[in-house]
Amino acid sequence: EVQLVESGGGLVQPGGSLRLSCAASGFTFSNYAMSWVRQAPGEGLEWVSGISSGGSSEHYADSVKGRFTISRDNSKNTLYLQLNSLRAEDTAVYYCASHRSTTCYSHLDSWGQGTLVTVSS
Amino acid sequence: EIVMTQSPATLSVSPGERATLSCRASQSVSSSLAWYQQKPGQAPRLLIYGASTRATGIPARFSGSGSGTEFTLTISSLQSEDFAVYYCQQYNNWPPGTFGQGTKVEIK
Repeated sequence: EVQLVESGGGLVQPGGSLRLSCAASGFTFSNYAMSWVRQAPGEGLEWVSGISSGGSSEHYADSVKGRFTISRDNSKNTLYLQLNSLRAEDTAVYYCASHRSTTCYSHLDSWGQGTLVTVSS
Repeated sequence: EIVMTQSPATLSVSPGERATLSCRASQSVSSSLAWYQQKPGQAPRLLIYGASTRATGIPARFSGSGSGTEFTLTISSLQSEDFAVYYCQQYNNWPPGTFGQGTKVEIK
């Protein structure tokens, strides 16, 4: 059974940083691209960032480009998202999700339960 | 960036009735279109990909159709567990993989 478990969320002040992690199990993690998708309270889904299976290609939404960095460690079956220069509008539940392909040009077929990031003073 | 527009925003349906949800893309996305279901407090779940292929374990009452810019998700006979928010997402032009704003299916 595919499992994706996010961690690392919490309360942070504006301008602060956090690192989110997503531990994967139940599938061959290194074979699939991964993405982060966020959902602000009461709002819809927003794709944030994606990374290819081998980690050579990274993609970012314009809203986070230059502030967030996605990475993965295939030896640890773990996906990361480094969040810097956080703003109030980054407050959201952050989901990690797996693509059904080595690249991000595919649907998201498994999702974690999410981790809440709250940016507030 | 491709804009995905879903309609209606809210759909009121009685159990056992048919529900038809629409998703329109601002430019062609071919058949690179997925539908997700999200219940309160839960993560989204993949229902349909490739515009019309049901994901593993998804009941046959869920069907998807369309290509290019116009897509439809049909739930043939609504069950109590189907009341939720449904999102479409295009993955033809990446990044970003844009989502629609969602359609809430509520009990009439």
